[in-house]
Amino acid sequence: QSALTQPRSVSGSPGQSVTISCTGTSSDVGGYNYVSWYQQHPGKAPKLMIYDVNKRPSGVPDRFSGSKSGNTASLTISGLQAEDEADYYCCSYAGNYIRVFGGGTKLTVL
Amino acid sequence: QVQLVQSGAEVKKPGASVKVSCKASGYTFTNDYMHWVRQAPGQGLEWMGVIKLSGGTTTYAQNFQGRVTMTRDTSTSTVYMELSSLRSEDTAVYYCARVTADTYYYDYWGQGTLVTVSS
Repeated sequence: QSALTQPRSVSGSPGQSVTISCTGTSSDVGGYNYVSWYQQHPGKAPKLMIYDVNKRPSGVPDRFSGSKSGNTASLTISGLQAEDEADYYCCSYAGNYIRVFGGGTKLTVL
Repeated sequence: QVQLVQSGAEVKKPGASVKVSCKASGYTFTNDYMHWVRQAPGQGLEWMGVIKLSGGTTTYAQNFQGRVTMTRDTSTSTVYMELSSLRSEDTAVYYCARVTADTYYYDYWGQGTLVTVSS
């Protein structure tokens, strides 16, 4: 149950797009279409942004999108806004009720 | 509306145990699964385990096997996470998070409970 690999930080200017990758193995990311992404602001609980690789919960802007290729999932945020600055975590189902998280990526809006 | 309300902050000495509660409201408690996730200061999220609310079946992360126990009380819609043999590295915010049946994501989270382990 090793953590999924995410870049420690990404940055972009308002209006630009950024993509955060999340690399696992065939036992987690590559084996199931059950990757979810969470946004976390300092001192707050995580918030669901994407589930089942590419589905958006109601209330999440369509600027947020998800995809997956092989053992790597990605979260893309387009039209960056100041309020998008936060930590982002991917999470994958790994069978037998087990979950594994990525190490987290700090998004800075320049 | 769905709410998960956790118990308050705790300070424990090394070697002690801590029991954190998570009270659910606003939905049918027994349909779902409750996971526990922790976050050490300045660190990422770490999955600890899950309890199936109907029946109480548990699955724990390898890192916590033998030290964590998750239970539930359906009469009060409350889930508990007990962690024993505490060490300083267990200082973290502990979250409960709901997964509804036939889904694979956390749609609601508790507010978090800070557990500090210090001599």
